[in-house]
Amino acid sequence: GAVVSQHPSWVICKSGTSVKIECRSLDFQATTMFWYRQFPKQSLMLMATSNEGSKATYEQGVEKDKFLINHASLTLSTLTVTSAHPEDSSFYICSAAGSTYSGNTIYFGEGSWLTVV
Amino acid sequence: DAKTTQPPSMDCAEGRAANLPCNHSTISGNEYVYWYRQIHSQGPQYIIHGLKNNETNEMASLIITEDRKSSTLILPHATLRDTAVYYCIVMSNQGGKLIFGQGTELSVKP
Repeated sequence: GAVVSQHPSWVICKSGTSVKIECRSLDFQATTMFWYRQFPKQSLMLMATSNEGSKATYEQGVEKDKFLINHASLTLSTLTVTSAHPEDSSFYICSAAGSTYSGNTIYFGEGSWLTVV
Repeated sequence: DAKTTQPPSMDCAEGRAANLPCNHSTISGNEYVYWYRQIHSQGPQYIIHGLKNNETNEMASLIITEDRKSSTLILPHATLRDTAVYYCIVMSNQGGKLIFGQGTELSVKP
């Protein structure tokens, strides 16, 4: 089946630094990818919609200058957390939408744990 | 906001069928019902989706009421590995923007 892969699976960074998380669709082309954030014991919260070749669309309350999204190809979107602070520590998950043999099913990556110290 | 309502938690005995309900009374005609599950510290896993007909795959069955205002996900023979949070989501089949509610935490017990 379709696979979406994230890298890194976990990362620890110092406060004030930036960290990049990659999301790849491995066997299909994804014109649209989505980025979510999940805090412990909570549900997934949609942060932004990443569109190949154009600017990302951010959900209300999400700082676009802090969470930079780049979707440069049909198989790769990146999320950069700039000037990270401890409160940005969270589980970040991406999903990708594309036509596959299953129809328009949306697949999720494995998630990336970010810890800011 | 999520357009679905699910019970926060359910228990099921191993080997028995797990029936997870979902209410989506404001569903639109072009919106599908999707089910995903999330095992602790992993990304959500796609289970099944449907529009108005009942659907079955190797993982589960989806029963949608005739008025489409509610549905039930059925895991026919639950195992301990089915313990997870199950999310019912309604979405148009254009776009892929899934809005998650709180889901149902299913605990399968021996």
